[in-house]
Amino acid sequence: KAGVTQTPRYLIKTRGQQVTLSCSPISGHRSVSWYQQTPGQGLQFLFEYFSETQRNKGNFPGRFSGRQFSNSRSEMNVSTLELGDSALYLCASSLAGPFQGYTFGSGTRLTVV
Amino acid sequence: DQQVKQNSPSLSVQEGRISILNCDYTNSMFDYFLWYKKYPAEGPTFLISISSIKDKNEDGRFTVFLNKSAKHLSLHIVPSQPGDSAVYFCAARETNSGGSNYKLTFGKGTLLTVNP
Repeated sequence: KAGVTQTPRYLIKTRGQQVTLSCSPISGHRSVSWYQQTPGQGLQFLFEYFSETQRNKGNFPGRFSGRQFSNSRSEMNVSTLELGDSALYLCASSLAGPFQGYTFGSGTRLTVV
Repeated sequence: DQQVKQNSPSLSVQEGRISILNCDYTNSMFDYFLWYKKYPAEGPTFLISISSIKDKNEDGRFTVFLNKSAKHLSLHIVPSQPGDSAVYFCAARETNSGGSNYKLTFGKGTLLTVNP
C-alpha cells in the first residue's frame, strides 16, 4: 500500500512569504501529525489532527497552522516566513494516534532565504 | 525543558559488535516509548517500542530496555551492521488526563556509525 506522501519535497521561499505543505496519509489512517526537524533540535511537535479536528498543538507561534480534510489529507501553513523556519517538515500518520508509532513521510525541506 | 534526552550526539562501533544507544526522560506521565531510525533524505522509520509496564522488548537484533526508576531506556543492536548506520531517535508518548489525545516527544537523536 502507498506510504505517507508529502509534497513538495523541496521548497525555497523568501522571508515574509507564506507557504503551504501537503500530506496525504496512508489509506485508512485518520490521525495526521506534523513535526519540524532542525539540526540539533530533533523533532519538534507542531500539531495533530484526527477526523478534521486538531487534538494537540505544540509550542509554536500562531504563524504555524494546519487543517485536515474529510479524506484525512492534511495541510500545514506557515505565514510571514522567518529564516529560522528553515527546516525539514515531517508528516506522520497512524490509525488513531501514536499507539504503535507513526509512519512518516519523507518530509518537505523548506529553505527560507 | 527537554523531557527526552539523548546525551550522545554520535556513536561509532565496529561491525559485529554491540551498539548501545541511551535515552533519559523526565516526565513520569510517559507510558510508551519508541525508537525510530532515520536515514538522510528520508522520514524516520519505526524500529521498536516498549510499554511502561515492561522492562524489555526484543525484536531480532534489536532490544529495548526500560528502567522506570531511573527514567532511562536503551536500545541494543547486536550484532551491529554497516546498514544500521543512521540517526536514532528516542520518543515517548504521554497520555493526557483525558486519555484520548496523544503526542510523541522526541529526543535530539544519536548518529550511529557502524564501521566495516
